[in-house]
Amino acid sequence: EPEVTQTPSHQVTQMGQEVILRCVPISNHLYFYWYRQILGQKVEFLVSFYNNEISEKSEIFDDQFSVERPDGSNFTLKIRSTKLEDSAMYFCASREQGSHEQYFGPGTRLTVT
Amino acid sequence: AQSVTQLDSHVSVSEGTPVLLRCNYSSSYSPSLFWYVQHPNKGLQLLLKYTSAATLVKGINGFEAEFKKSETSFHLTKPSAHMSDAAEYFCVVSDRRLTGGGNKLTFGTGTQLKVEL
Repeated sequence: EPEVTQTPSHQVTQMGQEVILRCVPISNHLYFYWYRQILGQKVEFLVSFYNNEISEKSEIFDDQFSVERPDGSNFTLKIRSTKLEDSAMYFCASREQGSHEQYFGPGTRLTVT
Repeated sequence: AQSVTQLDSHVSVSEGTPVLLRCNYSSSYSPSLFWYVQHPNKGLQLLLKYTSAATLVKGINGFEAEFKKSETSFHLTKPSAHMSDAAEYFCVVSDRRLTGGGNKLTFGTGTQLKVEL
């Protein structure tokens, strides 16, 4: 069964450093998403991406964040200068045309020290 | 705007007894509703979804949920709990209209289900 994959599973970085979280969505899906879950809190929407551009973003997704689909398979989330409060589990999801269902990856745990 | 309220942060049941996890939603549009489950240190797995067809939705592992528009509810049930059901459950709402690239999911705060022997 096709699945969304994410790398790395765990990333530790120092405050102020740039990180790139990587996702490989399901191959025939056209809509891509990033969510995050701070420890002990609910899952929050960050951004949606379709047709090589951002469709919608939350207030969390400020200028420090960017997304990219650099090739036909990867979908990345970059945080330019990490802050302690960026520590969270980041989930990638994808959806196919005409479907309401988003498939989630296993997540990347980001720890900022 | 859309939001989800999960009425119980923790639910504890005995193995073999029924499970009820409560969820109320608010949406400006006709909603799609989902239940996702998250086992410890795992990702989010879709249990079931309501989009516009039958109001009683059956999902995996014996779970089902009923969409009640008049009560704005989408409670999750299972007739008989199993130890492997212990996990965190999220009620999720989305705009049913498949708009160009949007359809973000809005999550509830989660209900931790504990199953005891």
